[in-house]
Amino acid sequence: GAVVSQHPSRVICKSGTSVKIECRSLDFQATTMFWYRQFPKKSLMLMATSNEGSKATYEQGVEKDKFLINHASLTLSTLTVTSAHPEDSSFYICSADGEGFGYGYTFGSGTRLTVV
Amino acid sequence: RKEVEQDPGPFNVPEGATVAFNCTYSNSASQSFFWYRQDCRKEPKLLMSVYSSGNEDGRFTAQLNRASQYISLLIRDSKLSDSATYLCVVRGGNKLVFGAGTILRVKS
Repeated sequence: GAVVSQHPSRVICKSGTSVKIECRSLDFQATTMFWYRQFPKKSLMLMATSNEGSKATYEQGVEKDKFLINHASLTLSTLTVTSAHPEDSSFYICSADGEGFGYGYTFGSGTRLTVV
Repeated sequence: RKEVEQDPGPFNVPEGATVAFNCTYSNSASQSFFWYRQDCRKEPKLLMSVYSSGNEDGRFTAQLNRASQYISLLIRDSKLSDSATYLCVVRGGNKLVFGAGTILRVKS
């Protein structure tokens, strides 16, 4: 149980374009989903917390207009990187917390974004 | 000061060795504590939760010292497959805060 599916696993895009990453909870309802970013040899950094049906809460320093998060249902959250630039190239990972899990979270398999 | 600090390593050990990782955290209000394992270019996977009473899962033993705000992970009889980055993770509220990880390389 507690499977989180994330797509795509890898994407290469041109500067200035937008990229959408999907995160789905397959066998549970995720009331809260989290989006992280990880640069090489660095720790995962929380970007934002999304709650179903409400606006995402962004961490300090994360541009909400650049990283659009939508959590329209209890099983799907999307992260759109708008007007991507090479410095946005990173490993993006989502995780989900279903009601009652409490301990740790289940992570998606991650999306490696390369902006050229 | 980082919220969660770990020695980045790498720890290079032979198969069969015992290795210990340490971690300190700064937020005394932290509620839950975990060790995650992350393989290269993969997502983190929960290895075990950490409790003050200490807990063991096979070759892995984790310990929490709340007074010192210190977390440890002991791996006995290291296997080649244990090679990975071990992430110390602390939960406060509904957020997880990750350490930068400790690299373990087990060699034959």
